Amino acid sequence: NAGVMQNPRHLVRRRGQEARLRCSPMKGHSHVYWYRQLPEEGLKFMVYLQKENIIDESGMPKERFSAEFPKEGPSILRIQQVVRGDSAAYFCASSPSTGGTAYFGPGTRLTVT
Amino acid sequence: QKEVEQDPGPLSVPEGAIVSLNCTYSNSAFQYFMWYRQYSRKGPELLMYTYSSGNKEDGRFTAQVDKSSKYISLFIRDSQPSDSATYLCAMSAGITGGGNKLTFGTGTQLKVEL
Repeated sequence: NAGVMQNPRHLVRRRGQEARLRCSPMKGHSHVYWYRQLPEEGLKFMVYLQKENIIDESGMPKERFSAEFPKEGPSILRIQQVVRGDSAAYFCASSPSTGGTAYFGPGTRLTVT
Repeated sequence: QKEVEQDPGPLSVPEGAIVSLNCTYSNSAFQYFMWYRQYSRKGPELLMYTYSSGNKEDGRFTAQVDKSSKYISLFIRDSQPSDSATYLCAMSAGITGGGNKLTFGTGTQLKVEL
């Protein structure tokens, strides 16, 4: 049973470009969470999605960040007009439809130059 | 004040030692408590999952939760060099309209030396 998959694993963007991070949840999981980990800090919740719905985006920056989880395909975290402060590791986690523990993917490390 | 406090370490112990890691928290709504292990540049891996107060044991790992003190612990017996990693505590208020949103500590870096 494949785990949570994220791609790309590493992403380099220049300031002002767009970054798209993808997450495929574990089979049978319909809940997806995105977390951000800044250097020397713990993981911070960003957004919680179910298929075609954003349930909780209380941790998302108000501007430039958006997330989606379409009916088909992976969840996407999109960062427009990236700035150096967006450099971080972005982790996706999934859990089964009945809730419960979250299983994390390997992360995407975004570097903004 | 952070919702979850965790000593960042680093903590260095000899192989075979008993390791004690802990977190304190301030939100009394937290009911689910987890410990994750994270190797350098990898994703967090779930180690232990506990609901409410009490103890849970799994092999060399024991998790304790004391809700009255808002204090959780992870004990590692017979520590091995392969246990060297960052240990993250995480907690949630449970399955609500907001899902199982986790609040993490900053992590404790552990090094087990030969």
